[in-house]
Amino acid sequence: GAGVSQSPSNKVTEKGKDVELRCDPISGHTALYWYRQSLGQGLEFLIYFQGNSAPDKSGLPSDRFSAERTGGSVSTLTIQRTQQEDSAVYLCASSLPPNYGYTFGSGTRLTVV
Amino acid sequence: GIQVEQSPPDLILQEGANSTLRCNFSDSVNNLQWFHQNPWGQLINLFYIPSGTKQNGRLSATTVATERYSLLYISSSQTTDSGVYFCAVGNTDKLIFGTGTRLQVFP
Repeated sequence: GAGVSQSPSNKVTEKGKDVELRCDPISGHTALYWYRQSLGQGLEFLIYFQGNSAPDKSGLPSDRFSAERTGGSVSTLTIQRTQQEDSAVYLCASSLPPNYGYTFGSGTRLTVV
Repeated sequence: GIQVEQSPPDLILQEGANSTLRCNFSDSVNNLQWFHQNPWGQLINLFYIPSGTKQNGRLSATTVATERYSLLYISSSQTTDSGVYFCAVGNTDKLIFGTGTRLQVFP
């Protein structure tokens, strides 16, 4: 597509429920990145995909977080048993390494109540 | 891990003024990018600049990789330049973001 598409744009969920966040990158971009941004804060790295593999999962905060990418395209970030501290904006970016910048989606605002 | 420091943390300008934002980083990198996050939260890529100088309209950036810093210049600022400017550095896999410079431009 023309840009990076994320869905849903907003998600309110009850504590303890599971959520799935989706990212559709720019067509042809081989690299995909997930970050999260808490209110008024900078961006925290979560996970990076090159193709369908995730060489760097070091940023996932706990084993409640997982992500996958299929067909070298769409990625899903899953948070199980959500907690209030998971509330944040989850941002996805894609790029075509090595010489191209990141293009970010508009993010998913997750609120855990 | 790599540390990224941005200065100043906050900047208030009147329309038409010029400004320089600085990014210092703690280790060698082969990827450095500048982003603008507008008041609605959208992140826009301004420059991919691991070294050298680039210009795009009223914005320009310079990275001196050997001295581990980058500068973003904004000339003739406009109210639409308001928002947070992030520097992000890293290598081929991921970027580490600084804490940003919050810019407010008043008419």
